[in-house]
Amino acid sequence: GENVEQHPSTLSVQEGDSAVIKCTYSDSASNYFPWYKQELGKGPQLIIDIRSNVGEKKDQRIAVTLNKTAKHFSLHITETQPEDSAVYFCAATGGILTGGGNKLTFGTGTQLKVEL
Amino acid sequence: NAGVMQNPRHLVRRRGQEARLRCSPMKGHSHVYWYRQLPEEGLKFMVYLQKENIIDESGMPKERFSAEFPKEGPSILRIQQVVRGDSAAYFCASSPPGGGDGETQYFGPGTRLLVL
Repeated sequence: GENVEQHPSTLSVQEGDSAVIKCTYSDSASNYFPWYKQELGKGPQLIIDIRSNVGEKKDQRIAVTLNKTAKHFSLHITETQPEDSAVYFCAATGGILTGGGNKLTFGTGTQLKVEL
Repeated sequence: NAGVMQNPRHLVRRRGQEARLRCSPMKGHSHVYWYRQLPEEGLKFMVYLQKENIIDESGMPKERFSAEFPKEGPSILRIQQVVRGDSAAYFCASSPPGGGDGETQYFGPGTRLLVL
């Protein structure tokens, strides 16, 4: 089955700096890669996603890049703000055709802290 | 447009009791997923259901756990004879019908189960 590794486990940046979180996956058939933000006591909130036919996607201060050959994808947050502080999870899924169904395999999370 | 609803938000049970967790998907969504999050860990897939059908239960423990998504009403995750190791946050997600290839999943706020 799919295995997703995520680094770093904790990340501390100064307000206004950029933050980068990286994930690798094992199943070359995976074709959908969402990123979720989870605040304390809340459910995961989808912030951006990318599919395997695209190499990069951007939404305001957030961008995601995908390298299918190397099987890794990254989340980039620019001009970080204190409200960006949360736990971020990457995930991957391969879809029904790969036998993976729609189940998401999650990374272990990155605790991002944006300091004033 | 209400999001995914889960109740109760917090549930306390004594060892040996039953826990019932409910999930109402977003309007128009017919696919439901259950995930479990242990303290300080990522989310682990449990089960994927469509109306009246279990599609993938590869993440469900073999005993004491069951799930259903009836034609009418919410999806139910049922844990019989709870043990302390069942203490976790249980999240439900939903996605729209039609796709089999990595549909976007939207998460509810979760039910935090504490077994005394």
